[in-house]
Amino acid sequence: DGGITQSPKYLFRKEGQNVTLSCEQNLNHDAMYWYRQDPGQGLRLIYYSQIVNDFQKGDIAEGYSVSREKKESFPLTVTSAQKNPTAFYLCASSPGTGSHQPQHFGDGTRLSIL
Amino acid sequence: SQQGEEDPQALSIQEGENATMNCSYKTSINNLQWYRQNSGRGLVHLILIRSNEREKHSGRLRVTLDTSKKSSSLLITASRAADTASYFCATAYDRGSTLGRLYFGRGTQLTVWP
Repeated sequence: DGGITQSPKYLFRKEGQNVTLSCEQNLNHDAMYWYRQDPGQGLRLIYYSQIVNDFQKGDIAEGYSVSREKKESFPLTVTSAQKNPTAFYLCASSPGTGSHQPQHFGDGTRLSIL
Repeated sequence: SQQGEEDPQALSIQEGENATMNCSYKTSINNLQWYRQNSGRGLVHLILIRSNEREKHSGRLRVTLDTSKKSSSLLITASRAADTASYFCATAYDRGSTLGRLYFGRGTQLTVWP
């Protein structure tokens, strides 16, 4: 079955530590996205990538970094500069750059501070 | 802000009743999409309506779009307990820096009681 796999499902971060969230898709989609979801709020865009080796900042990129070395992979690193990282992180993909096509989502990673 | 706003924030109904959720936005859109999120899971795309369309149907779902009022509604007919979830609208603009992006509202939490 094609889809998006996020891992781990739960992640704990210590003070001053960088952690990396994995996102892999086998849908052959060009575009991939990272969102942050806080309780009672909608999704806020962190970074997105429309093609391999290229990515753009979203609305809340500070304290985060990404890479897009392979079409199927778009890992997100939460750096120690992100002072409030506790949230639910969602990865998504879509076939192309136009938003006419729906986004497909993984089941998320819940990040907490130790 | 380019994101949509859903109304109401929470809706509680009995099985068999209809559920109506509304979404308002502020600037001209290219299309509007509705997504569903079960607790602790990723979002699932339900339906997309383009700016030149007024109504779309998919099974028990009916979506309307009024671009003059900058609003959309999602109607779920004959609701079931399994429809319990959060529902989000997402707007797309496809212009300049917004190309390929979706802007999500905060969602409506629907609870359907057996």
